[in-house]
Amino acid sequence: QQQVKQSPQSLIVQKGGISIINCAYENTAFDYFPWYQQFPGKGPALLIAIRPDVSEKKEGRFTISFNKSAKQFSLHIMDSQPGDSATYFCAANAGGGATNKLIFGTGTLLAVQP
Amino acid sequence: DGGITQSPKYLFRKEGQNVTLSCEQNLNHDAMYWYRQDPGQGLRLIYYSQIVNDFQKGDIAEGYSVSREKKESFPLTVTSAQKNPTAFYLCASSSIAGSNYGYTFGSGTRLTVV
Repeated sequence: QQQVKQSPQSLIVQKGGISIINCAYENTAFDYFPWYQQFPGKGPALLIAIRPDVSEKKEGRFTISFNKSAKQFSLHIMDSQPGDSATYFCAANAGGGATNKLIFGTGTLLAVQP
Repeated sequence: DGGITQSPKYLFRKEGQNVTLSCEQNLNHDAMYWYRQDPGQGLRLIYYSQIVNDFQKGDIAEGYSVSREKKESFPLTVTSAQKNPTAFYLCASSSIAGSNYGYTFGSGTRLTVV
């Protein structure tokens, strides 16, 4: 019940296309859902995050869609660029407040071809 | 600039040796975390600490030890009991107050057994 399942494991998209990465969870107590972007040899960096009281959040070319009833959330990268090529991790907060522990998905390796 | 500093960037360990990875943050975050990342895999939690002089085991704590004597510092020791220590190690920190649960990651330490 503490898992976050992420798919696909890898994704190849043409430049200008839409990249879509999906995550699913079971624990209805999760209340914070961030996405992280990681370039090779670097630490992950927070990309965008959403809370379950909204269904969508957009920041530039990056959008999170959240479906509370289905317990699913996804990352959409519009107009994908070669510079977006990285590993993306979804996550969910497992405690909040005094117990802040994120549960991470297994990651998606995105390659955007020029 | 506020952030997390991990050192060294690369570390080589001989069989049977203990090594210590450094993690320092100046973000005034209460919580700190250590993750292990293996090629093509997600982030696995080793240890975490919510407060000075207290820490909890994560999912893969065997063969590792930590200390939290100062709020800013959370060093990780990889002991000789860790049979497969070659990996990329990531330190992170977060606030546990308010509603911002996002993690800030360091740039990582790549440990190789020689």
